[in-house]
Amino acid sequence: GAGVSQSPSNKVTEKGKDVELRCDPISGHTALYWYRQSLGQGLEFLIYFQGNSAPDKSGLPSDRFSAERTGGSVSTLTIQRTQQEDSAVYLCASSRIGLGEQYFGPGTRLTVT
Amino acid sequence: AQSVTQLDSQVPVFEEAPVELRCNYSSSVSVYLFWYVQYPNQGLQLLLKYLSGSTLVESINGFEAEFNKSQTSFHLRKPSVHISDTAEYFCAVSVMSGGSNYKLTFGKGTLLTVNP
Repeated sequence: GAGVSQSPSNKVTEKGKDVELRCDPISGHTALYWYRQSLGQGLEFLIYFQGNSAPDKSGLPSDRFSAERTGGSVSTLTIQRTQQEDSAVYLCASSRIGLGEQYFGPGTRLTVT
Repeated sequence: AQSVTQLDSQVPVFEEAPVELRCNYSSSVSVYLFWYVQYPNQGLQLLLKYLSGSTLVESINGFEAEFNKSQTSFHLRKPSVHISDTAEYFCAVSVMSGGSNYKLTFGKGTLLTVNP
């Protein structure tokens, strides 16, 4: 079956614009995670979904960041009024309920100019 | 809160030499331990994991790691590396929270470069 997919693979945006990043998890995986990978901070957890609920949003760096998940499947990470420090690779991972292996997507490389 | 320290940011080795990538963690509760590998321009792939049981875990491509609770370490080893092992390796932990959230805390990564 297909793995985790993310779109777009690359996104260049101007400072101040809003962006939406999409994650399509593996079918049947109820847990979904967003992480961010940047040169300065390494790999950081952003948000966790169980089904459509987000019981852990503790990693979102500011209120400009939000995410939703619909139908227990696709998730969208939205960054409003982008700043240069938002430039990073945004990774999505999914797993079965319980301690399942987290399968990562290829990431979206976001560049804010 | 948990933290992960990978002591070497870069490790250059020659082909067929042994290698050890070091990982130490800090946590006030029990943890699960993972090594992920990221090949150039690719996503993260799980290399191996320690959940419980035997403290020595092995991957299908010859890597192994040993959980040492007293040393709070989970070092990754391979007795003979190949050019194709060139990649960045990340150590990660998640907490045995009893719930369903197994978010990962990662180390900064170690770039393994295998030279001919």
